[in-house]
Amino acid sequence: AQTVTQSQPEMSVQEAETVTLSCTYDTSESDYYLFWYKQPPSRQMILVIRQEAYKQQNATENRFSVNFQKAAKSFSLKISDSQLGDAAMYFCAYRSGGGYQKVTFGTGTKLQVIP
Amino acid sequence: NAGVTQTPKFQVLKTGQSMTLQCAQDMNHNSMYWYRQDPGMGLRLIYYSASEGTTDKGEVPNGYNVSRLNKREFSLRLESAAPSQTSVYFCASSESLGGRSNQPQHFGDGTRLSIL
Repeated sequence: AQTVTQSQPEMSVQEAETVTLSCTYDTSESDYYLFWYKQPPSRQMILVIRQEAYKQQNATENRFSVNFQKAAKSFSLKISDSQLGDAAMYFCAYRSGGGYQKVTFGTGTKLQVIP
Repeated sequence: NAGVTQTPKFQVLKTGQSMTLQCAQDMNHNSMYWYRQDPGMGLRLIYYSASEGTTDKGEVPNGYNVSRLNKREFSLRLESAAPSQTSVYFCASSESLGGRSNQPQHFGDGTRLSIL
């Protein structure tokens, strides 16, 4: 079974600075997808960024980028130029590439942005 | 632009009471899911529905039942609520269940359920 580990329960960053949230996963599969979701206090789960395991290039979405290290099974999220609106829980998620689309979530990292 | 709509947003029940959480999506998605979110545990899958007319158990199905009423709607029922079911419940939907698709799941706003 796949597992997703987020070892940082809480992180803080100064506004306009850069922060990296870590995520590691364990799988025996070669075909899978990885996601970062953001959950603000409103409780909505919002997709931040996605990465296909078969793509070597790291995904980027505006101020958000990932460092995907397939051999190390690591998938960290970098937030550049942090904004107050980035304060939220961030969940790393894993999904198998084929068959049932079961998603395994990490336990989350609470990000605080300091003005 | 409703996406995934869950009702109610909040509910307080007494132990032993029953209730149904409703979920509807307007994105014509085939697959729908119910999760529960507990502090320090991320989201755990309760039940899912690959397509209209099918349902399957997830990681934590005990104490719950589901109904895929039609393509749009997927309800979660607690027949006899227990304090251990106090949680935040999320419904989600996605375009397809499997295959090579990078499409994420779309989530509702959640239902905060407290059982006394």
